[in-house]
Amino acid sequence: KAGVTQTPRYLIKTRGQQVTLSCSPISGHRSVSWYQQTPGQGLQFLFEYFSETQRNKGNFPGRFSGRQFSNSRSEMNVSTLELGDSALYLCASSLDTGGFNEQFFGPGTRLTVL
Amino acid sequence: GQQLNQSPQSMFIQEGEDVSMNCTSSSIFNTWLWYKQDPGEGPVLLIALYKAGELTSNGRLTAQFGITRKDSFLNISASIPSDVGIYFCAAYTGTASKLTFGTGTRLQVTL
Repeated sequence: KAGVTQTPRYLIKTRGQQVTLSCSPISGHRSVSWYQQTPGQGLQFLFEYFSETQRNKGNFPGRFSGRQFSNSRSEMNVSTLELGDSALYLCASSLDTGGFNEQFFGPGTRLTVL
Repeated sequence: GQQLNQSPQSMFIQEGEDVSMNCTSSSIFNTWLWYKQDPGEGPVLLIALYKAGELTSNGRLTAQFGITRKDSFLNISASIPSDVGIYFCAAYTGTASKLTFGTGTRLQVTL
């Protein structure tokens, strides 16, 4: 079974631009969660989508948004990029929503904001 | 908010040695997960724990869900060079799908 895939793997943008990242979950998984990883803050939860609905949201500004499609694929968007948005963005999929579900991570998208 | 205090922050050990690391919190969790992350890659799930007191093994790895539900431990026996990486604990509370992550333990193995 194929794992979680994320595209693109690397991205360079400039301040003020916007970016869209894509995540395809493991086949059969219906929940997708997004995390931001930086050296200073570690792994921080952004949001979770299940059945095309946002179920949970972390403490990030409204510039960070996401959506999920009927095939469970998910995208996250960051508008008006800031230097501090440079990070590894990880998505994870699980069979279902709620605790007790094992989350499987993709390789991440490395975003650099210049 | 909930925090997971992971220790040690880093470890230098010799090949063949056993390794222990742990995660503690003041909050109660109902699921603990342990992940390993290699540079530039996403975390890989090693072990999942669902019940207080549970002890689970995966090859040379053994993890335990603390009886108080506020901590968890990971042991690696007879370390080998490919064990190098950053190990994270992560945990859920209740039914929300938000995973809280520890700060990570960087493991380096010398020959």
